[in-house]
Amino acid sequence: EDKVVQSPLSLVVHEGDTVTLNCSYEVTNFRSLLWYKQEKKAPTFLFMLTSSGIEKKSGRLSSILDKKELFSILNITATQTGDSAVYLCAGGGSQGNLIFGKGTKLSVKP
Amino acid sequence: EAGVAQSPRYKIIEKRQSVAFWCNPISGHATLYWYQQILGQGPKLLIQFQNNGVVDDSQLPKDRFSAERLKGVDSTLKIQPAKLEDSAVYLCASSLGVRARSMDGYTFGSGTRLTVV
Repeated sequence: EDKVVQSPLSLVVHEGDTVTLNCSYEVTNFRSLLWYKQEKKAPTFLFMLTSSGIEKKSGRLSSILDKKELFSILNITATQTGDSAVYLCAGGGSQGNLIFGKGTKLSVKP
Repeated sequence: EAGVAQSPRYKIIEKRQSVAFWCNPISGHATLYWYQQILGQGPKLLIQFQNNGVVDDSQLPKDRFSAERLKGVDSTLKIQPAKLEDSAVYLCASSLGVRARSMDGYTFGSGTRLTVV
C-alpha cells in the first residue's frame, strides 16, 4: 500500500531558528515528490522534485530528494512567524494522484 | 489566471441528509481531483477525472458518494446520506495532465468545510 510518512508531526521553534522537515515515501510508479504549505485554506505549492540530489530553493526554503533512500527534506532557514503552518509532503504516482502524509505542524514563536 | 473555484465554503447538515459540492477547475486543465481532508490528516484522494472520464475512484465510498464531471469542465461531488464521519474539508484540485512536469501546476481550491451533526 502506498504511504507517505512525515516527521516530526509538530514542531515549535523561535524566530530565526532553522528547521528541517522530513518525508519518507513508498509510492507505486513514483514520479514526483511535492511539498505544500497549508494555512487555514487550500494547500499552496512550494516545490516539486523529480530528480535525486538536486536542491530546489525559494528564498529561505529549500528541498532535496533522495530517490535511493525514498526520502525528502524541506529546510527553512531564519524562520519567521509567517512560516507557521502545516507543511504537507505528497508522493505523485504515474496517474497524477497524490499520496499525502499527515503533515508537520510548524509553530514559530516571536 | 483564475484559480480553482469551489462552493459552498461551509456547510452544516444533519446526518442522513444529502449535500453537494461544486468545483470549477482552472481553464484548460484536463485533470480534476476531489480530496477529503479530515482534521489532523493529509488530504486523501476520492476520485480523479481525466476530461469527463473517471481515472481512479478506488477510494470513493460509492454507497454514499457520487461525482460527475459534465462536459469535462465543472464537477460536482455528492454525499447521500451523510454520516458523522464525513465531516471534513473537501478539496478540489486540477492539473494540466498527469505527466510529472505538469504536476507543478497542480492547484487546489479553497475547499468546502462540511460539518455533519
